[in-house]
Amino acid sequence: DGGITQSPKYLFRKEGQNVTLSCEQNLNHDAMYWYRQDPGQGLRLIYYSQIVNDFQKGDIAEGYSVSREKKESFPLTVTSAQKNPTAFYLCASSTLPGQGFDGYTFGSGTRLTVV
Amino acid sequence: AQSVAQPEDQVNVAEGNPLTVKCTYSVSGNPYLFWYVQYPNRGLQFLLKYITGDNLVKGSYGFEAEFNKSQTSFHLKKPSALVSDSALYFCAVRDNNNDMRFGAGTRLTVKP
Repeated sequence: DGGITQSPKYLFRKEGQNVTLSCEQNLNHDAMYWYRQDPGQGLRLIYYSQIVNDFQKGDIAEGYSVSREKKESFPLTVTSAQKNPTAFYLCASSTLPGQGFDGYTFGSGTRLTVV
Repeated sequence: AQSVAQPEDQVNVAEGNPLTVKCTYSVSGNPYLFWYVQYPNRGLQFLLKYITGDNLVKGSYGFEAEFNKSQTSFHLKKPSALVSDSALYFCAVRDNNNDMRFGAGTRLTVKP
């Protein structure tokens, strides 16, 4: 079955530590996205990528970094510069305009907690 | 820039009663409209979409939504609510630039 996989499901970060969240898809989607979800605030876009080796900042990119070395993979690193990283992180993927856009497919999320 | 609003943070209904979760949008050009559902500690799941065609869209789990261009609305409906429908519901809109925006979400609680 095609889908999008996020790992780990739960992650704990110490102060000053960088952590990387994994996102892999086998849907052959060109576009991938990272969102942050906080209670009562909906989804906020962190970064997105529409092609390998290229990505764009979203609304809240500060303190985060990404890479897109392969079409299937879009890892997110939460750096020590992100002062309030505790949140639920969602990865999504989609086709591009002109490819029959059908909405986003989401992973099951990673809950990051600072300890 | 496009935007979407879900005016209700919380909707409570009794099991067996009809439910409505409201969504209004603002977009330049033709809207692509979506509803997603999220269960606790899970990702968002696609429910239904409107891209073109019939204004009444039917989706998963008995849900439907009506596109109303004059009122710029895309309300989610179900004729008879189930306790298992209790979840967080998100409306989303995408414009021609492939920029998708999500509403803040509405928490639906269906009581037995």
